[in-house]
Amino acid sequence: GNSVTQMEGPVTLSEEAFLTINCTYTATGYPSLFWYVQYPGEGLQLLLKATKADDKGSNKGFEATYRKETTSFHLEKGSVQVSDSAVYFCARTTSGTYKYIFGTGTRLKVLA
Amino acid sequence: NAGVTQTPKFQVLKTGQSMTLQCAQDMNHEYMSWYRQDPGMGLRLIHYSVGAGITDQGEVPNGYNVSRSTTEDFPLRLLSAAPSQTSVYFCASSPQGMNTGELFFGEGSRLTVL
Repeated sequence: GNSVTQMEGPVTLSEEAFLTINCTYTATGYPSLFWYVQYPGEGLQLLLKATKADDKGSNKGFEATYRKETTSFHLEKGSVQVSDSAVYFCARTTSGTYKYIFGTGTRLKVLA
Repeated sequence: NAGVTQTPKFQVLKTGQSMTLQCAQDMNHEYMSWYRQDPGMGLRLIHYSVGAGITDQGEVPNGYNVSRSTTEDFPLRLLSAAPSQTSVYFCASSPQGMNTGELFFGEGSRLTVL
């Protein structure tokens, strides 16, 4: 089937630590992959995306690479800040439809 | 530029009451959708629309109705609210014809059903 699995949180890091949030997907076809971020009390907003295998999406120091061979799209940042504290959602489109599938979200807390 | 606007932001209902969550977007997006967000469940698609007059069911459509009479508006109706519908609801839109397209979200509507 079509699904998205991401690591459970919460993830707690100190400022300037390295961040990885794992995301894997199952799919038929070739979905586009996304990371969305939700700050407290707000709606989701796009962080980055990749539309085909080996593409790397990047934004605000975050990056993720579309790995078809491992069906993964892990989110990384070299040095997190307190302002990065939020919930991060991995998502994918479903080929041939307009349905987006979201993971369950990973809460990140960055301590000063 | 308002983007996606949802109203109300908060609502408390009693079991069996009906209500409509409003969603409007000013970006001329063809695609609009409704999600509910529950702890540990992520976002689940309720209904979506690919254009005026066209709607379809998502993952969890039971208990909800939608209509799309204009490009701008996509209201979500609860005909007889149940406690299981207590959730945060998000409306999202995207340009049609771009299945790689970004979703633009409203700020959410928190609904409590007693």
